Amino acid sequence: DTGVSQNPRHKITKRGQNVTFRCDPISEHNRLYWYRQTLGQGPEFLTYFQNEAQLEKSRLLSDRFSAERPKGSFSTLEIQRTEQGDSAMYLCASSLGGLAGEQTQYFGPGTRLLVL
Amino acid sequence: GENVEQHPSTLSVQEGDSAVIKCTYSDSASNYFPWYKQELGKGPQLIIDIRSNVGEKKDQRIAVTLNKTAKHFSLHITETQPEDSAVYFCAVGDSNYQLIWGAGTKLIIKP
Repeated sequence: DTGVSQNPRHKITKRGQNVTFRCDPISEHNRLYWYRQTLGQGPEFLTYFQNEAQLEKSRLLSDRFSAERPKGSFSTLEIQRTEQGDSAMYLCASSLGGLAGEQTQYFGPGTRLLVL
Repeated sequence: GENVEQHPSTLSVQEGDSAVIKCTYSDSASNYFPWYKQELGKGPQLIIDIRSNVGEKKDQRIAVTLNKTAKHFSLHITETQPEDSAVYFCAVGDSNYQLIWGAGTKLIIKP
């Protein structure tokens, strides 16, 4: 399978715990994006990477959230001290990036987080 | 910043009929307009996209039209089938490749 993969697919945690999600993009894609999606809404942009560099972060990304892409391949999204409001689907996408015409973003299946 | 509005929020059509979903945007600098289909429990799947240098694009039963002057674009699905039932999202991108999304349209195909 050469698509975007995400693990785990589901995560249930207690309020205050830390969680970490992983995303493996399509292998030749330089750009990697994280989004959050709540029920009945479109995805909301959180952050993106060009190779290993984190180029932009949304105001939605509080200090409890951190994302890394250490070798420019897979990425991790960590949420510290989870709150019930963090319950959502966390989506990862990747694209070739760079020149115009390579903007198409391909999404993984998402990680559904439930904070009790 | 960019604002994307999508209508309708729910659309119910008879199998075999056509479905049209419309989106408007605010930033004239936006140049990339994809449409995604999302089934329950899955990530969004790109179904068609268009860039600002063309007005229309078609792929089998799916077409997208873009009116840059009026800042709106539409998704057209012809000869709808039960497997077309899903939530459809429009999105708008700019030179920074960030996507701003509409709120989604739940498409219901009635047998």
